[in-house]
Amino acid sequence: DQQVKQNSPSLSVQEGRISILNCDYTNSMFDYFLWYKKYPAEGPTFLISISSIKDKNEDGRFTVFLNKSAKHLSLHIVPSQPGDSAVYFCAASAGLNAGGTSYGKLTFGQGTILTVHP
Amino acid sequence: SQTIHQWPATLVQPVGSPLSLECTVEGTSNPNLYWYRQAAGRGLQLLFYSVGIGQISSEVPQNLSASRPQDRQFILSSKKLLLSDSGFYLCALSTGSVPYEQYFGPGTRLTVT
Repeated sequence: DQQVKQNSPSLSVQEGRISILNCDYTNSMFDYFLWYKKYPAEGPTFLISISSIKDKNEDGRFTVFLNKSAKHLSLHIVPSQPGDSAVYFCAASAGLNAGGTSYGKLTFGQGTILTVHP
Repeated sequence: SQTIHQWPATLVQPVGSPLSLECTVEGTSNPNLYWYRQAAGRGLQLLFYSVGIGQISSEVPQNLSASRPQDRQFILSSKKLLLSDSGFYLCALSTGSVPYEQYFGPGTRLTVT
């Protein structure tokens, strides 16, 4: 049962344009969401997160939007740069709703390969 | 700042051989530690997590085991490797302040032949 899904395996955009990466989840207990970026043969690096009490969080070129009713989140990168080319994973945790006993367990999506062309 | 070390970086092992992957962390105390596997073309699968010395929780039944002999050391083992154990193994940590923000090590590429 895939509780976190990234239905687009790949995305290709032009440098300077907006990249929109999407993620859907099914578990209503998830209350904290994160995006990670991963280069080949390296560990993922944390990008940005959002709590379920918010619907938007912005950090520089990166903005994450959360639509709880649709169980959907998205990552916007504006403007996109060639260095953004990587695999992007969304992840979810039921940490808060679990009363802090989930120990920060994350459920990851399958990832989306973003390619930004110069 | 915290640092995660993993070794070896790359490993090629025959089917049926044992396995030991090591993860050590610096710059933090009493972290939550995690082992993930990324199989080819797939997402990250949580294998084990630990909230303290000697405390291990397994997420999926499998051919692997984990141990935490010291606060900042996490070991992934197998007595007999299977072909399906091939993948990219990642160690991660989180701290008590924000337990759901995890930070990953550089990973170990394991190929079972």
